[in-house]
Amino acid sequence: AQSVTQLDSQVPVFEEAPVELRCNYSSSVSVYLFWYVQYPNQGLQLLLKYLSGSTLVKGINGFEAEFNKSQTSFHLRKPSVHISDTAEYFCAVTSGGYQKVTFGTGTKLQVIP
Amino acid sequence: DTAVSQTPKYLVTQMGNDKSIKCEQNLGHDTMYWYKQDSKKFLKIMFSYNNKELIINETVPNRFSPKSPDKAHLNLHINSLELGDSAVYFCASSNRDRNTEAFFGQGTRLTVV
Repeated sequence: AQSVTQLDSQVPVFEEAPVELRCNYSSSVSVYLFWYVQYPNQGLQLLLKYLSGSTLVKGINGFEAEFNKSQTSFHLRKPSVHISDTAEYFCAVTSGGYQKVTFGTGTKLQVIP
Repeated sequence: DTAVSQTPKYLVTQMGNDKSIKCEQNLGHDTMYWYKQDSKKFLKIMFSYNNKELIINETVPNRFSPKSPDKAHLNLHINSLELGDSAVYFCASSNRDRNTEAFFGQGTRLTVV
């Protein structure tokens, strides 16, 4: 079985400050990992994904994430946030193809002007 | 040029009614999904179809019945609606043979009164 934990339900951060959204997963086999963003009243949009290769993954809108197998983590980071980054962020994991993906409970990023 | 489109975007209905949500994707994907997002933003898969064949059917009441007339469409029919069915329902699609991400529709906000 696989699972995803997003420890922070809300993360407030001032504009232009750096941010890290935490994601830990558990799985007994190799995994693929994703970060999605959901803007208010919108569907989910892929930010970035880790399938294999380099553990540092760069995504859209200046976000990046690092896959750490020993710590079973896939934290999302951005060096300087904008107001427009205010949204809900979901970490997701699958070990058996996308049809078996499991989502975390989401982290609401609130950027304060 | 919407990749995954759902209709309607909003649906308000009374308890006991039967309603349908339609989903279409023009990405040429072979797998489609229905997800339910509750008031706490928790996202849970309900169904998955691959080439019109049901491959995932999570613990969902029998009142929910998906129908896939072709691999570009996956509709969700709900009988005898209950207050607890109020949620945002997302349709998504992906390619099963490639472990790529799913593309999501904008969601249908269902409110049962």
